[in-house]
Amino acid sequence: EPEVTQTPSHQVTQMGQEVILRCVPISNHLYFYWYRQILGQKVEFLVSFYNNEISEKSEIFDDQFSVERPDGSNFTLKIRSTKLEDSAMYFCASSGPQEKAQYFGPGTRLLVL
Amino acid sequence: RKEVEQDPGPFNVPEGATVAFNCTYSNSASQSFFWYRQDCRKEPKLLMSVYSSGNEDGRFTAQLNRASQYISLLIRDSKLSDSATYLCVVKYAGGTSYGKLTFGQGTILTVHP
Repeated sequence: EPEVTQTPSHQVTQMGQEVILRCVPISNHLYFYWYRQILGQKVEFLVSFYNNEISEKSEIFDDQFSVERPDGSNFTLKIRSTKLEDSAMYFCASSGPQEKAQYFGPGTRLLVL
Repeated sequence: RKEVEQDPGPFNVPEGATVAFNCTYSNSASQSFFWYRQDCRKEPKLLMSVYSSGNEDGRFTAQLNRASQYISLLIRDSKLSDSATYLCVVKYAGGTSYGKLTFGQGTILTVHP
């Protein structure tokens, strides 16, 4: 069964550093998303991406964040100048052209020290 | 008012019990509805979509009441493996094929022997 994959599974970084989180969506999916979940809190939408551009973003997704689809398979989330409060689990998700549901990757646990 | 509201539980039930979870949502223009389950420190996994006519998948039955903006999930004959957090999820697509998922806080279920 096709799956969304994410790397790395864990990332530890120093405050102020830049991190890039990587995702490989399900191969025939066209819509890509990033969500985050701070420990003990609910899953929150960050951004959606379709046809090589952002289609929607939340107020969390400010200038510190950017997304890119650098090639035909990868979808990345870059966080510049990380802050302590960026520590969270970051989930990538994708959905197909006829799908209403979204399928999540296993997540990257980011810890900012 | 929270966009998606769930009773956080926890629900502790014996194997074989029937348990029901409820959820309300605030955006009347919401278009798609789902139950996901999330195991500890794992990604949300789609359990089932929820349709207006109600739908069943094995031991799981989901109901939607658009007039009351209310969603429910019934689990019959609970198994130990049903222990997880159950997430009520709503999507507003705004006429597009994609759209962000809005998650409830989750309801914790523990099934004991």
